[in-house]
Formats: sequence, structure tokens, C-alpha cells
Amino acid sequence: GALVYQYPRRTICKSGTSMRMECQAVGFQATSVAWYRQSPQKTFELIALSTVNSAIKYEQNFTQEKFPISHPNLSFSSMTVLNAYLEDRGLYLCGARLGSSYEQYFGPGTRLTVL
Amino acid sequence: GDSVTQTEGLVTLTEGLPVMLNCTYQTIYSNPFLFWYVQHLNESPRLLLKSFTDNKRTEHQGFHATLHKSSSSFHLQKSSAQLSDSALYYCALKYAQGLTFGLGTRVSVFP
Repeated sequence: GALVYQYPRRTICKSGTSMRMECQAVGFQATSVAWYRQSPQKTFELIALSTVNSAIKYEQNFTQEKFPISHPNLSFSSMTVLNAYLEDRGLYLCGARLGSSYEQYFGPGTRLTVL
Repeated sequence: GDSVTQTEGLVTLTEGLPVMLNCTYQTIYSNPFLFWYVQHLNESPRLLLKSFTDNKRTEHQGFHATLHKSSSSFHLQKSSAQLSDSALYYCALKYAQGLTFGLGTRVSVFP
């Protein structure tokens, strides 16, 4: 079956530092990968949508300068949170889309704590 | 912009009773895709139901929902709740190539 792994599952970083998180699709080729953030007491917000060989599309309030994404092939994507501050804490979820289906398979998330 | 509203933050009920979770949406698109995801403790969200066909009931694992474009709704129902149904339930709307999520409803089923 389709599985999505995310690494690390939890991470702590000091305010002003950066951290990188990874998303790996196993058992299928992800035509696109969407990154979401769930801040405390909030729902999942779409950060950006990444499609191989296409420009990455960022949603309002999220920028490439803050959340650079690398998507080198159909099974792997990574996102970095640059200069993390308190408002960046939360659960970062990666959703991989299979083929032309609009379904997304989610990884377990990377929980970011900023000190 | 597109949005999803789930009115209940927490639903508690006794095992065996019916459960209904409300979901309404707003979108400029005439053919919306709606989803229900379920997230158990320490797990990632898993697709439960999906629909893009107006007035057609979709079912999976005892849950069912019907997309009603006239009322912009996609309520989730189950006739008899089980202890294992305790989880977070998210209603989501296709947005571009991603999803717009509701705030989620936590369901707690007690014996």
C-alpha cells in the first residue's frame, strides 16, 4: 500500500535557527506533495504545493524565503523552516498525491518546538 | 476564499448510539471535491470518505456521507458508534492541488 514517511518525527530548535524536514513516499510515485502546518489549537494550513519539474506554489502568508522546498524526484520532498520563531511551532504534515486522484496520503508529521 | 466549517469541536457519546458530524463549505467552484479524514492518536490523517457527486451517498467502514451542493454540506454519519471510532475527524475541501481543512471534530465514544 501507499505509505508516506516523515523525518524527523519531533524536533526542537532554538529561536532564530533553521531546521529541515523530509517526506518520503514509499510504494508509489507522488505526482505532487503538499506541505501543511497545524499550529496549536488550529487546523491544517496549506503551506505550499510542490510538483516535480514545476514551480512550487506557495499559499498566502508562506514564502519560499521562509520555507524553501526541494522536490528532486517523485518519491522525496524536503522543506526547511528558516529562522524559526515561536509562531512556527506546530505539526508539519506532508501529503503526497497519487496519480490523478485528488486524494492525499499523509505522513505522520514532524512536530516542531521552538525554544 | 474557500473554507470548511465544522461546528462541533467535541462530540461525546455512548457506544452503539448514532453519530453525526456536521460539515459545510464555501467555494467559488461549481464542482467541489469533499473529503473526510480520520486521525487516530499518534497517527497521520487517513482518508475515510470522498465525494464530488451531488446527492449521492458514499459509504466506507460503516460511515456514510452525502454531498449536497444545494446546502453546501457533507455531513458524516454512522448509525452505531464503536469504541474504536474515537478519533479526530476532519472535513476537507479540494483547493487547487491541495486541501482546505475544517477545524476538526474530536469524537469520544464511551462504553
